[in-house]
Amino acid sequence: DVKVTQSSRYLVKRTGEKVFLECVQDMDHENMFWYRQDPGLGLRLIYFSYDVKMKEKGDIPEGYSVSREKKERFSLILESASTNQTSMYLCASKVTSGTYEQYFGPGTRLTVT
Amino acid sequence: KQEVTQIPAALSVPEGENLVLNCSFTDSAIYNLQWFRQDPGKGLTSLLLIQSSQREQTSGRLNASLDKSSGRSTLYIAASQPGDSATYLCAVEMNRDDKIIFGKGTRLHILP
Repeated sequence: DVKVTQSSRYLVKRTGEKVFLECVQDMDHENMFWYRQDPGLGLRLIYFSYDVKMKEKGDIPEGYSVSREKKERFSLILESASTNQTSMYLCASKVTSGTYEQYFGPGTRLTVT
Repeated sequence: KQEVTQIPAALSVPEGENLVLNCSFTDSAIYNLQWFRQDPGKGLTSLLLIQSSQREQTSGRLNASLDKSSGRSTLYIAASQPGDSATYLCAVEMNRDDKIIFGKGTRLHILP
């Protein structure tokens, strides 16, 4: 079974703090993704990565950065958290052969106060 | 620009009924289409993936069909159960190794 894990299920941070969200997958997938999900807006892609040290901006990269130093780990960084970044953050990884199926982690509910 | 639409946004049906969830997309040149389930406050669970060359996929009580030319996919759930209550999302991938574009989902409630 593919496992995508995220470092925290719930996180509360203050405005201006630097926030790290970690995602780890155990299936040697090349592609990894960070989304945020908000009511009425659906899932929106923040960043994705095709391989180690490679990253591509998604639809809403402003205020975020990412790091992929190892294949299994993809980190999302909020340089200076703001209240409008309160959201559910979902990480995913994707098979790059065969079915190209995407697998998701359990999500991190981030609240910025 | 590809857009994925799921109508209705919410649906309630009595337990035991068969039901169909709809997904439409504006650009028919897709690589594949995937259906997901999401329980409240949780991540997404992959249900079925249909490659562009396929017409349908089945898993247990679920059957997903794809009509690329008309830009439509349906997810058929047979003999619905209260445990099927969740939000169902469809997503399309335009090219291999490309990002995936999601619909906003249909929130399904099965009435006991």
